[in-house]
Amino acid sequence: KAGVTQTPRYLIKTRGQQVTLSCSPISGHRSVSWYQQTPGQGLQFLFEYFSETQRNKGNFPGRFSGRQFSNSRSEMNVSTLELGDSALYLCASSPTRGGALPNTEAFFGQGTRLTVV
Amino acid sequence: GQQLNQSPQSMFIQEGEDVSMNCTSSSIFNTWLWYKQDPGEGPVLLIALYKAGELTSNGRLTAQFGITRKDSFLNISASIPSDVGIYFCAGRRAYNQGGKLIFGQGTELSVKP
Repeated sequence: KAGVTQTPRYLIKTRGQQVTLSCSPISGHRSVSWYQQTPGQGLQFLFEYFSETQRNKGNFPGRFSGRQFSNSRSEMNVSTLELGDSALYLCASSPTRGGALPNTEAFFGQGTRLTVV
Repeated sequence: GQQLNQSPQSMFIQEGEDVSMNCTSSSIFNTWLWYKQDPGEGPVLLIALYKAGELTSNGRLTAQFGITRKDSFLNISASIPSDVGIYFCAGRRAYNQGGKLIFGQGTELSVKP
């Protein structure tokens, strides 16, 4: 079974631009969550999607948004990029328990390394 | 953002030695997960714990879910050079209580051959 796939792996953007990152979960997983990893703040939760609906949101500004498609693939978007947005963005997928709610394990992709200059 | 207290922050050990690291929280969790992350890669799930008091092994790795549900530890026995990396604990509440993963700051492990 293929793992979580994130594209692109690396991205360089200029301050003020916007960026879209993509995540394909493990086949059959309907829950996708996004995390930001920086040396100073560690791993911070951005948001979680389940069956195309945002179920949880972290403490990030509205410039950070996401969505999930009917095939469970997810995208996150960051608008008006700031230097501090430079980070490794990680996507994780979770299996469902009885088809109703996500299970508690989370499997991560390799991440997208975003550099804002 | 909220984080778990993970210790130690770093460890330098000799190959063959055993390693122990732990995470504590002021909050109760329903699930504890332990991950290993290599440079430039995403975290890889090592062990998942679901019940207070649960003790689970994965090869040379053993982890326990504390009985208070506020802590967990990970042991690595007979360390080898490929154990090098950063180990993270993560706690998760019930889905209807937020459900997001909250991570520790990580333990960086170095193994001297």
